[in-house]
Amino acid sequence: TQLLEQSPQFLSIQEGENLTVYCNSSSVFSSLQWYRQEPGEGPVLLVTVVTGGEVKKLKRLTFQFGDARKDSSLHITAAQPGDTGLYLCAGGSGGYQKVTFGTGTKLQVIP
Amino acid sequence: DSGVTQTPKHLITATGQRVTLRCSPRSGDLSVYWYQQSLDQGLQFLIQYYNGEERAKGNILERFSAQQFPDLHSELNLSSLELGDSALYFCASSSVGAGGRYNEQFFGPGTRLTVL
Repeated sequence: TQLLEQSPQFLSIQEGENLTVYCNSSSVFSSLQWYRQEPGEGPVLLVTVVTGGEVKKLKRLTFQFGDARKDSSLHITAAQPGDTGLYLCAGGSGGYQKVTFGTGTKLQVIP
Repeated sequence: DSGVTQTPKHLITATGQRVTLRCSPRSGDLSVYWYQQSLDQGLQFLIQYYNGEERAKGNILERFSAQQFPDLHSELNLSSLELGDSALYFCASSSVGAGGRYNEQFFGPGTRLTVL
């Protein structure tokens, strides 16, 4: 069974601070997605990374896929209240890209 | 707007009852997924359909069933409802198997089920 553990589980920070969320597994994934979910709404896809060591930037968000494709990180610079939400990583593998979702990190950015 | 639609948005029912949740995937997507999310919990994968056929099963209870129709919309049937079934139910679609290389999923707005 593939598992994706995210840490920290909860994070409450002040506006303007930086933070990093981690997504770890003992399994190798051929692709990894990050989603953000706001309360009461469906998750929204932020990014997909596919190559070991790949780094992608989306404004203040930086995503990295580990060299061995077993882990990933999400770094947010100068967090804003609008960044508040549940961040989920999801790993894909297999011919039809079976997806495993991570345990989630709940982020609260206080103005 | 993800392009995935779900109805109804809210559903309130009593224990022991049966309900049907409906999902229409994005245009062109052949894969549909159902997830359950209880309060402050992560996403629990229930079941996946691809072009009308069941592709993968997660932690779906025997009281729950799903199907995908020829027009690709999907329905999730929940029966003999219990208080613990109260949750948000999400449908997602993906273009994997229809040209999409990676299983990027696009989620609907969800159906909030309350069992009283």
